[in-house]
Amino acid sequence: EAGVAQSPRYKIIEKRQSVAFWCNPISGHATLYWYQQILGQGPKLLIQFQNNGVVDDSQLPKDRFSAERLKGVDSTLKIQPAKLEDSAVYLCASSFLTGGGETQYFGPGTRLLVL
Amino acid sequence: RKEVEQDPGPFNVPEGATVAFNCTYSNSASQSFFWYRQDCRKEPKLLMSVYSSGNEDGRFTAQLNRASQYISLLIRDSKLSDSATYLCVVTPPSGSARQLTFGSGTQLTVLP
Repeated sequence: EAGVAQSPRYKIIEKRQSVAFWCNPISGHATLYWYQQILGQGPKLLIQFQNNGVVDDSQLPKDRFSAERLKGVDSTLKIQPAKLEDSAVYLCASSFLTGGGETQYFGPGTRLLVL
Repeated sequence: RKEVEQDPGPFNVPEGATVAFNCTYSNSASQSFFWYRQDCRKEPKLLMSVYSSGNEDGRFTAQLNRASQYISLLIRDSKLSDSATYLCVVTPPSGSARQLTFGSGTQLTVLP
């Protein structure tokens, strides 16, 4: 079974530039998550989708971050404009359902460095 | 107070040693508990779920104490391949969102 795919794997940009990340979840997984993991910290949930609807975006900095999952499969996360503190690994995860107990499967992440 | 707190370590132990990690959580109504493992520069992967009755998977034993809001992970007979960061993970009370809250992780290095 193919895992969660993410691209690009690495990105270096200057502050105030824009950047976009792409995620393709495991086939059949209804729920998709974007996490931000800053060096030395655990992942922090940015946004959660169920199919193409947003379930939780309470920790997404909406003044600069946006995400969409238009057809309930692939998703993109955008940062515009980027700040130095956005340097982190952006992890996408998916799970079959939303609720208690099921496992989240993570992609390899996109490492973002903002200069 | 952080929602999920872990001792960051690092824990440096010799092969064959037994090592234990602890984790505390702040929301007494938290629903589910997990340990994830994250290798250097890799994504987190589920190691095991944690149940009130405790559960064991080979050399790994996880315990949950709801009264003390405390989770533990015990690794027996440590292997070099156990070197990783171990993340304590908690989910909030049941609802429509399936939000995992991660601790900052405990770094383990098993030495030859």
